[in-house]
Amino acid sequence: AQTVTQSQPEMSVQEAETVTLSCTYDTSESDYYLFWYKQPPSRQMILVIRQEAYKQQNATENRFSVNFQKAAKSFSLKISDSQLGDAAMYFCAFNGGATNKLIFGTGTLLAVQP
Amino acid sequence: EAQVTQNPRYLITVTGKKLTVTCSQNMNHEYMSWYRQDPGLGLRQIYYSMNVEVTDKGDVPEGYKVSRKEKRNFPLILESPSPNQTSLYFCASSHGTASYEQYFGPGTRLTVT
Repeated sequence: AQTVTQSQPEMSVQEAETVTLSCTYDTSESDYYLFWYKQPPSRQMILVIRQEAYKQQNATENRFSVNFQKAAKSFSLKISDSQLGDAAMYFCAFNGGATNKLIFGTGTLLAVQP
Repeated sequence: EAQVTQNPRYLITVTGKKLTVTCSQNMNHEYMSWYRQDPGLGLRQIYYSMNVEVTDKGDVPEGYKVSRKEKRNFPLILESPSPNQTSLYFCASSHGTASYEQYFGPGTRLTVT
């Protein structure tokens, strides 16, 4: 069975600094997709970034980038130039197989200090 | 505007009183799913549907029912709610394969006393 692990329940970063959130996963599949979702206090789930496992190039979306290490089954999220609006819960998620099920980690609560 | 809607957004009920949480999407997505979010556990899938009249259990289906009579709607039914079903519930939809983004509804906060 696939599992997703986020080992950092809480993180803190100073405004304008860079922070990295960690995620590891376990699967026997070779074709899958990885996601980072942001959940602000409004509780809305917002897709931040997506990575296809067959792509070696790390995905980037503006200030958000990932470090995808397929052999190590690691998928970390880097937020550059952190802003107050980045404060949220961040979930790492895995999707592979016919059921199209997202498997989530337990989340990392990110605080941004002014 | 492309969206997934859920109703109600907040609900407080008592043990055993049947309730339905509605979910509707306007993107003509084949795939719909229900998740529950609990502190320290992340989101876990309850049920999913690959298309009309096609539903299957997710990881935590006990105590829940679903139906998919129309492509746009996917209601979640709790026939006899219990306090352990107090949670935050999300409906999600997407096109049918893992490569597509899943769009989430705004969430329904359910409290069962």
